[in-house]
Amino acid sequence: QKEVEQNSGPLSVPEGAIASLNCTYSDRGSQSFFWYRQYSGKSPELIMFIYSNGDKEDGRFTAQLNKASQYVSLLIRDSQPSDSATYLCAVGLNKFYFGSGTKLNVKP
Amino acid sequence: EAGVTQFPSHSVIEKGQTVTLRCDPISGHDNLYWYRRVMGKEIKFLLHFVKESKQDESGMPNNRFLAERTGGTYSTLKVQPAELEDSGVYFCASSHIGANEQFFGPGTRLTVL
Repeated sequence: QKEVEQNSGPLSVPEGAIASLNCTYSDRGSQSFFWYRQYSGKSPELIMFIYSNGDKEDGRFTAQLNKASQYVSLLIRDSQPSDSATYLCAVGLNKFYFGSGTKLNVKP
Repeated sequence: EAGVTQFPSHSVIEKGQTVTLRCDPISGHDNLYWYRRVMGKEIKFLLHFVKESKQDESGMPNNRFLAERTGGTYSTLKVQPAELEDSGVYFCASSHIGANEQFFGPGTRLTVL
């Protein structure tokens, strides 16, 4: 069983829609959760982190964490073509476990 | 503030050769991490330095890999001798002591022929 699981996609949404990206993890004791955005050939860019159950909002991004269900998600409101990238979920403290990433396509 | 930098961006070597990758963390970041992504797989942890000390090297695949961080600034990752399965993208990340958010470099793409 993989430590962190993500649907590889691609997830296609029209411009202006809400994109919903999901991630599940296996270690019930995990405390720290991260979302990275990676454009092709570029470095993973940290866009959100969440440590407590519930929602955390930053601009158009909302991270949601449900530790009981071992589930973390990322919502992108008003999706733009520039949001098209691979989104990586990472879990851990110092030693990060990554999912394989979900490719998001935002169509104009 | 400059980000994490890595050198080279690409390296193509023959099986059996030696390659050394370099990472310069963000200035002031005492935590330095190495990760690797091989074709079709997720990014996987290799090791973690705190300043010049190896805190966790549980992800190092075998003794052909040697990581150093003399002086607690930049780090090198040497692969000797390289094997075909070592091909992939090697990422470096850094963070402040006490902070868990890691900032990644652009990676070094290693191809072993």
